Amino acid sequence: EAQVTQNPRYLITVTGKKLTVTCSQNMNHEYMSWYRQDPGLGLRQIYYSMNVEVTDKGDVPEGYKVSRKEKRNFPLILESPSPNQTSLYFCASSLPSTGIGEQYFGPGTRLTVT
Amino acid sequence: KQEVTQIPAALSVPEGENLVLNCSFTDSAIYNLQWFRQDPGKGLTSLLLIQSSQREQTSGRLNASLDKSSGRSTLYIAASQPGDSATYLCAVSSWGQGGSEKLVFGKGTKLTVNP
Repeated sequence: EAQVTQNPRYLITVTGKKLTVTCSQNMNHEYMSWYRQDPGLGLRQIYYSMNVEVTDKGDVPEGYKVSRKEKRNFPLILESPSPNQTSLYFCASSLPSTGIGEQYFGPGTRLTVT
Repeated sequence: KQEVTQIPAALSVPEGENLVLNCSFTDSAIYNLQWFRQDPGKGLTSLLLIQSSQREQTSGRLNASLDKSSGRSTLYIAASQPGDSATYLCAVSSWGQGGSEKLVFGKGTKLTVNP
């Protein structure tokens, strides 16, 4: 089954404790992206990657890191989480054709930083 | 900077009605526009993708149109059903920093279809 998986789905952590949210897709997609969704602010892009070893900042990259060492995986790293990073996070992927193709979203990771 | 606006923010209709959701964007230099559905607490599901060279796309009871020059798209839902209740988001692909593409989302329209 074609899908984007994220782990963990729910995470409660404390300020400053490094964490990684994994994202994996099995569709051989080139484009992968991370978003956060907050009430009243909608979906905002954190980082995106057009292909292996190619990453770019989105609208809200501060406090986040990503890596794209292989096509299927795109982990999101919070080196020192803070309470303002409490949010619902989504990973997405697509196979670019003319522009970014149809986006497939993961189920989301709800992160709470206390 | 690309901005995407969706109006109305919320819409409540009785079952069976035909309805239109609106999306506008400020920069007409887009590659494509996508409409998504999001159920509460869930991820997004792609409904329709319209390339910049296309005028519309149809899937079942859904029809999306694109007028790139005026920066507008509409999502038409025919014969609405309670199962259509969800938040509908539109997103346009646009240039990001470094010359690569990115998606910019609207904040969505929350649709409620009453039995």
